[in-house]
Amino acid sequence: GENVEQHPSTLSVQEGDSAVIKCTYSDSASNYFPWYKQELGKGPQLIIDIRSNVGEKKDQRIAVTLNKTAKHFSLHITETQPEDSAVYFCASNNNAGNMLTFGGGTRLMVKP
Amino acid sequence: DTEVTQTPKHLVMGMTNKKSLKCEQHMGHRAMYWYKQKAKKPPELMFVYSYEKLSINESVPSRFSPECPNSSLLNLHLHALQPEDSALYLCASSQEPTLNTEAFFGQGTRLTVV
Repeated sequence: GENVEQHPSTLSVQEGDSAVIKCTYSDSASNYFPWYKQELGKGPQLIIDIRSNVGEKKDQRIAVTLNKTAKHFSLHITETQPEDSAVYFCASNNNAGNMLTFGGGTRLMVKP
Repeated sequence: DTEVTQTPKHLVMGMTNKKSLKCEQHMGHRAMYWYKQKAKKPPELMFVYSYEKLSINESVPSRFSPECPNSSLLNLHLHALQPEDSALYLCASSQEPTLNTEAFFGQGTRLTVV
């Protein structure tokens, strides 16, 4: 089955700095890669996603890049703010497209 | 309305109790999911319903019994649970069963089995 690895497991940055979280996946047939933000006591919230027909997608301070050849994708957050502090999960779908496999999560802490 | 609503938010139950978790969405989504999330871990898929039919059961013990009464509702019936079943149970939905469309999660039910 699909295996998704995520690094780092924890990330501490100063407010205003950039944060980068990286994921690798194993199934070359995967074609959908969402990123979720989960705050304490809440469910995961989709923040951005990318499909395999594009290499980069940006939404204000958040961007995602995808390298299908290397089977890795990354989340970039610029000008971080304390409210960005949360656990971030990457995910990819399986070859049938009906299941998401999540990475292990990254706890991002933005220090004011 | 991009909301998935789960009730109750918190549940404490004994090992001999029977309880149900409920999930509701009014986005017209045809796929609904149950996930289990332990502390500091990613969500793990339990069940997938596609057009109100169970399409995936990830080898979940029979003490967890899903039900999809209609396209907007998803239940998870719980019976004879063990303390290790304590976790956050998340419901999600997506427009189509193939997850190339966005999946929206509810806030979860925090379950404690005593």
